[in-house]
Amino acid sequence: DAGITQSPRHKVTETGTPVTLRCHQTENHRYMYWYRQDPGHGLRLIHYSYGVKDTDKGEVSDGYSVSRSKTEDFLLTLESATSSQTSVYFCAISSTGTAGNTIYFGEGSWLTVV
Amino acid sequence: AQKVTQAQTEISVVEKEDVTLDCVYETRDTTYYLFWYKQPPSGELVFLIRRNSFDEQNEISGRYSWNFQKSTSSFNFTITASQVVDSAVYFCALSVLNTGGFKTIFGAGTRLFVKA
Repeated sequence: DAGITQSPRHKVTETGTPVTLRCHQTENHRYMYWYRQDPGHGLRLIHYSYGVKDTDKGEVSDGYSVSRSKTEDFLLTLESATSSQTSVYFCAISSTGTAGNTIYFGEGSWLTVV
Repeated sequence: AQKVTQAQTEISVVEKEDVTLDCVYETRDTTYYLFWYKQPPSGELVFLIRRNSFDEQNEISGRYSWNFQKSTSSFNFTITASQVVDSAVYFCALSVLNTGGFKTIFGAGTRLFVKA
């Protein structure tokens, strides 16, 4: 258990509305990530964070923003949700150190945009 | 840029058969990490193994084995004597160190069906 909690776990929203997904970790990991999973595409990196207020874009960042004001929380915001953002969103943390970098995932958030 | 290719979209085998899942990666970095993850039907993503770019030694864990070959940029995963519980989607991933920290990208995944 990597101590990652995602909320909400399931959400249905309307096109054009803002949506925020929250990722909370309890183990003080430096690196946090947001991925989306879609059939045929596997897991694609949206944004990641390497510290408080330090974030960077991933492969599919358009339409998404993130914030990290505390080590334990990493928020993903869809400013104006579109149907193409219907997906499963996974938050992840990176456990680093002498053993190297390993990503551990939360349980996922199912988002449907109608 | 980095890339991970899992050319096999779906594989179907009968229980007790051996099966190999292919993974080919691209990176110009000399230091990187390779991973395999399993996603069973329940949906969670389970870490299976990590290798770093300096360690080409193959690894065996029970019925699972991994073959890392830098010469062909491949990190293949073999399940020996497959079981129904091995049915899942398997992801290969590559992690490199960017200016802002580790960045990990995944392949599209291979769905494995093991039939009884």
